Parts: sequence; structure tokens; C-alpha cells
Amino acid sequence: KQEVTQIPAALSVPEGENLVLNCSFTDSAIYNLQWFRQDPGKGLTSLLLIQSSQREQTSGRLNASLDKSSGRSTLYIAASQPGDSATYLCAVEMDSSYKLIFGSGTRLLVRP
Amino acid sequence: GAVVSQHPSRVICKSGTSVKIECRSLDFQATTMFWYRQFPKQSLMLMATSNEGSKATYEQGVEKDKFLINHASLTLSTLTVTSAHPEDSSFYICSARDRERHAVEAFFGQGTRLTVV
Repeated sequence: KQEVTQIPAALSVPEGENLVLNCSFTDSAIYNLQWFRQDPGKGLTSLLLIQSSQREQTSGRLNASLDKSSGRSTLYIAASQPGDSATYLCAVEMDSSYKLIFGSGTRLLVRP
Repeated sequence: GAVVSQHPSRVICKSGTSVKIECRSLDFQATTMFWYRQFPKQSLMLMATSNEGSKATYEQGVEKDKFLINHASLTLSTLTVTSAHPEDSSFYICSARDRERHAVEAFFGQGTRLTVV
């Protein structure tokens, strides 16, 4: 059974810092991996999707990497801003069924 | 990006009543939609997969008679929480995929905060 773990559970950094969020999964036979952002009481916003054949994806200040063999993904946020404060979730898709298995998230606070 | 609309955003109901939550894909057709629930400070747990024109597939431990799912069209799926109890209070989120674009990311609704009193 696939299990997705995110470390740390919570993170507080001063504005401007570069930071890394970690996601690990137990079964490396994934179809793809996706990072989401969730603001309090809101739904999810897709940030980046990495296909199983890809190593990384970039969007603006965000960079996500994927190492399938080791069961790890990282989300790198450059020059963090207070507006980046949210919960970040990673999720893996095991096959083309579209079902996602989520990690428990990292709650990020960027202090002005 | 694709838009998924979920309604209502908040609902408070009395114990024993039923509540219907709608999930619509606004600018694409969704053969499959998913319903998740999320407890405070926890992650999303998949409840069921909703397939247009057929019965939903429920995850282990989810009562299909309590959480009724209907996917009558390619743009609408509904989740009805029947005979709601306080323990059903949670955040419910739907997700949809664009049937024409198999590789794109999942799009989520804004969620529904259900409080059963």
C-alpha cells in the first residue's frame, strides 16, 4: 500500500529565504507526482506536475524534482514571500486511474 | 487552467438531515470526478470515484448508502450526505480531470465545509 510522507509538518521562515519541502513515497511505481497549495479553508491549487519519466519541473520561483528510485520529491521555493504562506501537499498517482494519494502536508509560514 | 466549481462553500445542517454538494466542471468535460474529505490539519482522503453514467466506486471503509454519489452528466457530480451526524462534519472537496487531456494535472473545487449540529 502506497504511503506518502511529508517533512517537515510545519515550517516558519523569514521572508526572502529559499526553502525546500520534502515528500517521500514507499512504492516507487508511480504514474506521476503533483504538488498542490492549499490556503486555509480553501480547495487545492495545482502547482507542478511531474510525470514518472521526468526529473523536474519549474514554474516561476518553484522547482519540483523527482527521484523515483529513491521514492523522493522536493519542492524548492526561491526567495519566499509572505504570500507563499499556505499548506503544501504532494500527491502521487499510481496508474492512469487518476486516483491521488496525498501526503499530510507541510504548513508554511513566511514571516515579513 | 480548467475550473471546477463546488457549491455550497459552507453548510450547517441539523443532525439527521441530508445535504447535497455539487461539483461542476465549467470549461471541460469530466468523465471521472473524485470526492475527498479532509479533517482539520489532516490530508485529503479519497472517498469515492464518480464515473459519468455509472455507479460510483467507493474506497474501503466509506459507506455508500450514507454518501450517495450521482454523476448524471459530463460536467456535474453530486455528493449527498444522508442522515448526517456530527461526526460527518468535515471539509469535502471534489476533483475532476479533463477527459481530452490525460496528462494534465487534477483540478479541485473550492471545497465545502459541512457542520452538523
